[in-house]
Amino acid sequence: GENVEQHPSTLSVQEGDSAVIKCTYSDSASNYFPWYKQELGKRPQLIIDIRSNVGEKKDQRIAVTLNKTAKHFSLHITETQPEDSAVYFCAASPTGNQFYFGTGTSLTVIP
Amino acid sequence: SQTIHQWPATLVQPVGSPLSLECTVEGTSNPNLYWYRQAAGRGLQLLFYSIGIGQISSEVPQNLSASRPQDRQFILSSKKLLLSDSGFYLCAWTPGTDTQYFGPGTRLTVL
Repeated sequence: GENVEQHPSTLSVQEGDSAVIKCTYSDSASNYFPWYKQELGKRPQLIIDIRSNVGEKKDQRIAVTLNKTAKHFSLHITETQPEDSAVYFCAASPTGNQFYFGTGTSLTVIP
Repeated sequence: SQTIHQWPATLVQPVGSPLSLECTVEGTSNPNLYWYRQAAGRGLQLLFYSIGIGQISSEVPQNLSASRPQDRQFILSSKKLLLSDSGFYLCAWTPGTDTQYFGPGTRLTVL
């Protein structure tokens, strides 16, 4: 089955700096890659996603890039703010029915 | 619009007691439904998923079971809880377009 690895597990940045979280996947059939943000005690919320026919997608301060050849994708957050502090999960889906999650990155934005 | 409900929100149960968690989705038909468990400070572990009434796929052997008695209802059960069953249980659904949405979760503590 699919295996998703996520790095780093923790990340601290100064407010206003950029943050990058990276994920790799193993199954070349994976074609959908969502990113979720989970605040403490809350449910994961979808923040951005990308499909395999696209190399990059941007939504305001958040962007995701995908390299199918290398089987990795990354989340980029620019101009970080304290409210960006949360745990971020990447995921990969080879079938549309099953989703395989990374182990999460705890992001802290220091004011 | 679609809404996903879970109850109860929190639950404290003794070891060896039974468990029943319920998830329902409104505003859609024939959704794919999922149960995940998240241990404290950890990632998301897929427990079960269902693509239709009575169709359940299990990802991890355990003392839990799932049922889907109705199109938009997904139930997670156990006959005898273990200490290791403690965690945050999340139900999720997809409308068939890959994007997965999570319910508010049930926080289970087994004592």
